[in-house]
Parts: sequence; C-alpha cells; structure tokens
Amino acid sequence: GAGVSQSPSNKVTEKGKDVELRCDPISGHTALYWYRQSLGQGLEFLIYFQGNSAPDKSGLPSDRFSAERTGGSVSTLTIQRTQQEDSAVYLCASSEQTGTGYTGYTFGSGTRLTVV
Amino acid sequence: QKEVEQNSGPLSVPEGAIASLNCTYSDRVSQSFFWYRQYSGKSPELIMSIYSNGDKEDGRFTAQLNKASQYVSLLIRDSQPSDSATYLCAVKAAGNKLTFGGGTRVLVKP
Repeated sequence: GAGVSQSPSNKVTEKGKDVELRCDPISGHTALYWYRQSLGQGLEFLIYFQGNSAPDKSGLPSDRFSAERTGGSVSTLTIQRTQQEDSAVYLCASSEQTGTGYTGYTFGSGTRLTVV
Repeated sequence: QKEVEQNSGPLSVPEGAIASLNCTYSDRVSQSFFWYRQYSGKSPELIMSIYSNGDKEDGRFTAQLNKASQYVSLLIRDSQPSDSATYLCAVKAAGNKLTFGGGTRVLVKP
C-alpha cells in the first residue's frame, strides 16, 4: 500500500478484556515496528520484526503483550487482560533496508486504546 | 541517564526567527540520526536524517551532527506558525531499532 495502515483507529475496551491491533506495512518494507505513546510522553519501543529473523521483543512490558507477523507482511499486536495503564496510542512503523544503509521509519496513524 | 535526551520545552520563537533544537545521546556506536515532527494528535513524520558529522540542509531545516560530542541538533530557519509541533530526535545504534527522545515542543508565535 501507499502508507502504513493501522486498524482500528480507536478502541475502547473494558479492563480485563483482550484486544488485537493490526498493522499493514508499506509493501516491500522488510522491517516492522511497534511503539506506544502515552499522553504527553515519548515513544516507547515494544517489538520489531526484520524479515525472517526472530523478532526483537525486548520492549514488551509484560507477558500480556505479544505480536506476530504473518507472511512477512501484516502484524497483529495482542494485549491480553488489558489494564488501565495500557491506555495509549499504539504506533506501527515500517522501514526499508537498502544496500547502502537504512531508511527512517514511516509511521501509521496509530490506534488509540482506552481501557475503562 | 536516558539514552536520548531532549529539552521538553516549550521553545517559544517569534515568526521568522530561527528555532534551535538540541539532542544528546549516550551510545557512542550510534550510526544514524533522525528528526521527526509530530503535530498534536498525529503520528510522527520524518523530516531529516543525518549519518555523518557536519551539517545537512533541506529547505528551511538544517541538521547538525557531532559524533565526538554525541549531539545532534536541528535548526528551523524562518520559523512559521505551521512549524509549531513536537520535534522528536531518534537514534539508531546496533540493529534497526530507533530510540526516541522525549521530544521538544516548539511554539512559533505570529
């Protein structure tokens, strides 16, 4: 696609429920990243996928968080048993690694998650 | 110590003036540096990248990198009210992951 697509754009869920957030990266981008941004805060790294390599999960805050990337394209971030502190904007980004270097990220428009 | 540090601001500049934003980083092996602009309620958008020491100019924006001192800066010349946003510094060290600073909020006053 022309850009990084995320869905849903907004999600309100009850505490304790599971949620799934979807990201469709730019076609041909081999790397995909998930970050989250709490209100007025910076971007917190969650997880990244690069091609067929094992994902870097070092930023996932707890075992309630997981992500997968199917077929090297679409990714789903799953949060189980949501808590109020999970409320944030979840941003997905993709990038292309070139022979001479590395391109910066292109971000999607984000999913605003509110846990009530 | 945070890996990437920025003054949170707000940095208030009059229209037409130069806005100067600074960013320091802790990892000496950092290789690539990026500036993103984020309008309120929107996602970050890439405005500048810089990989080697010195200055890089793109329109009204100039990025400056000094690896020995571990800082990168962004100058916005002829600031416009539309430049009012939060500017995020991002650093790539090992791997492809970017580490972001907390951002500097810029307010351009007409």
